[in-house]
Amino acid sequence: SQKIEQNSEALNIQEGKTATLTCNYTNYSPAYLQWYRQDPGRGPVFLLLIRENEKEKRKERLKVTFDTTLKQSLFHITASQPADSATYLCALGGGADGLTFGKGTHLIIQP
Amino acid sequence: GAVVSQHPSWVICKSGTSVKIECRSLDFQATTMFWYRQFPKQSLMLMATSNEGSKATYEQGVEKDKFLINHASLTLSTLTVTSAHPEDSSFYICSARGGTLSTDTQYFGPGTRLTVL
Repeated sequence: SQKIEQNSEALNIQEGKTATLTCNYTNYSPAYLQWYRQDPGRGPVFLLLIRENEKEKRKERLKVTFDTTLKQSLFHITASQPADSATYLCALGGGADGLTFGKGTHLIIQP
Repeated sequence: GAVVSQHPSWVICKSGTSVKIECRSLDFQATTMFWYRQFPKQSLMLMATSNEGSKATYEQGVEKDKFLINHASLTLSTLTVTSAHPEDSSFYICSARGGTLSTDTQYFGPGTRLTVL
């Protein structure tokens, strides 16, 4: 069965540093991989989508890489700020299909 | 753009009653809407996919007679939890795709917290 693993339940990063989150998957060949942000008690907010034929995607301070050979995506937040503290979700799928989510990584940016 | 709303944001009901949750796409027409459920400290789990004017497609293990989904228009989908029980208490989140937005991704509502006593 499909399995998605996000590297850790929680990650503490000092303000100003780069936060790197990992998403690994097995038994799946997704056409898309997406990253969402979720704050407590709220729905996920879309951040970035990367396609299987793309290696890297950037948006402001965010960068996502996608390695279909390693079955891994890395999500980077540069110049991290306390306001970036949230749970970040990796999701496989897209288009007309529903998404399969990882459990998320709770990122804490310490001032 | 890409705003999705849900109503109510939270609801408390007695065991055995039915609860209806609305999901609306406010600034685009959603050809497809999805319903997810999230238990505490767990990932979002897809419950069903619905296309406007068609019957919903349910994921394995989700009872279609218990979770009734109606997608009557391009901007509204409803989820009715029938004969709710305490184990149905969860965070229900809808998402939508379509219109002139990228159809590859989904835009999520704020969620509805259901507590069944």
